Amino acid sequence: QITLKESGPTLVKPTQTLTLTCTFSGFSLNSGGVGVGWIRQPPGKALEWLALILGDDTIRYRPSLRSRLTITKDTSKNQVVLTMSDMDPVDTATYYCAHRPCPPNDDCNNWFGPWGQGTLVTVSS
Amino acid sequence: DIVMTQSPDSLAVSLGERATINCKSSQSVLSNSNNKNYLAWYQQRPGQPPKLLIYWASTREPGVPDRFSGSGSGTDFTLTISSLQAEDVAVYYCQQHYTTSPITFGGGTRVEIK
Repeated sequence: QITLKESGPTLVKPTQTLTLTCTFSGFSLNSGGVGVGWIRQPPGKALEWLALILGDDTIRYRPSLRSRLTITKDTSKNQVVLTMSDMDPVDTATYYCAHRPCPPNDDCNNWFGPWGQGTLVTVSS
Repeated sequence: DIVMTQSPDSLAVSLGERATINCKSSQSVLSNSNNKNYLAWYQQRPGQPPKLLIYWASTREPGVPDRFSGSGSGTDFTLTISSLQAEDVAVYYCQQHYTTSPITFGGGTRVEIK
């Protein structure tokens, strides 16, 4: 069974750097096309993809946020860490990490399931 | 960016009736190399994270009831719930996985019981 759980601060001040950790189980990020993505959802709004890291160390970022994001993995701890710098109130959202699967007998690609429960991050002074 | 536009924004359907959700991409998400449509659908129940329903536009994720089906090609896609159940009340999102520059989601369609 694959599970993911996000952890990090619930409140950050403007201009601070947010660090979120995704701790997962049920799969490995040692190699291959399996991966973990980060997606956020402002209150009452739609989903916005942020970043993706694969077992083969491929990394992709949302271009408009590329300068503010860093995604890393620690395979020994089964964790993926996302940092977002220069936080602003518009970054207030629930932040989700999610599994990027490789179905048996099919190609891998960038859909996500399952997802963690999410963590609400509020940016306010 | 590939813009994903869903319609309607919300719909109310009677229990046991069909619900149809549309998703249009601003450019084709059909790959010429493998003839696959890079389109996924998710369900987000109130207070819950999204759940993957369908990928490759029409491949159901294991465990998803067969009343959920995806269809379409190129730029126009549909998610159909053939017989709405109470537990299907949710917001549904489409997502293109054709490009990571960036991966984009639709604005969501809320499904309620009439």
